[in-house]
Amino acid sequence: GAVVSQHPSWVICKSGTSVKIECRSLDFQATTMFWYRQFPKQSLMLMATSNEGSKATYEQGVEKDKFLINHASLTLSTLTVTSAHPEDSSFYICSAGRLSENTIYFGEGSWLTVV
Amino acid sequence: SQELEQSPQSLIVQEGKNLTINCTSSKTLYGLYWYKQKYGEGLIFLMMLQKGGEEKSHEKITAKLDEKKQQSSLHITASQPSHAGIYLCGAVRTGTASKLTFGTGTRLQVTL
Repeated sequence: GAVVSQHPSWVICKSGTSVKIECRSLDFQATTMFWYRQFPKQSLMLMATSNEGSKATYEQGVEKDKFLINHASLTLSTLTVTSAHPEDSSFYICSAGRLSENTIYFGEGSWLTVV
Repeated sequence: SQELEQSPQSLIVQEGKNLTINCTSSKTLYGLYWYKQKYGEGLIFLMMLQKGGEEKSHEKITAKLDEKKQQSSLHITASQPSHAGIYLCGAVRTGTASKLTFGTGTRLQVTL
């Protein structure tokens, strides 16, 4: 079964509204999680590192006020797309490392469509 | 920043044929992950390589990391339609064990 779970899988929102995507590690604790974005027919682009109990670290070019990340517990990170616009429509996917297994697991991904 | 190039970008093979996908890094790899993805879905972990010269196999898929740790290859033997998808290599960034930089991806189609 899934080791890292994302919710929702699909979300449609109106322009100007905010939408939250959750990423959970199901049976292990993750002090660090990662958020990626994938454009059509392209590879994954790292957006930010979500750090439990502290501020997220954003990659160059990613607006921190636009993509709010909260990592309030060892099993949950959330990505909130604020004041969403159609160009924010994309596939967002999170990951968490299970270092005891030397494995990085990815969530199922979340499709965001802004209309 | 580290760059990963994958080749080929896309590949069409007949069922039963073997194929190889390459992943080349501009810098020494501290760890290299291979994943398979159907576009718009999550990533399926295939293998992780860390040591120079390391080779791992799972079912009909074999991955190798060269001695210099700058190139990895993924080899599929006797391909099947179930192997179709996007193959991604991801390099571990120094200083953060779980942060990955991804290659450009290789889209594989397997024809009957």
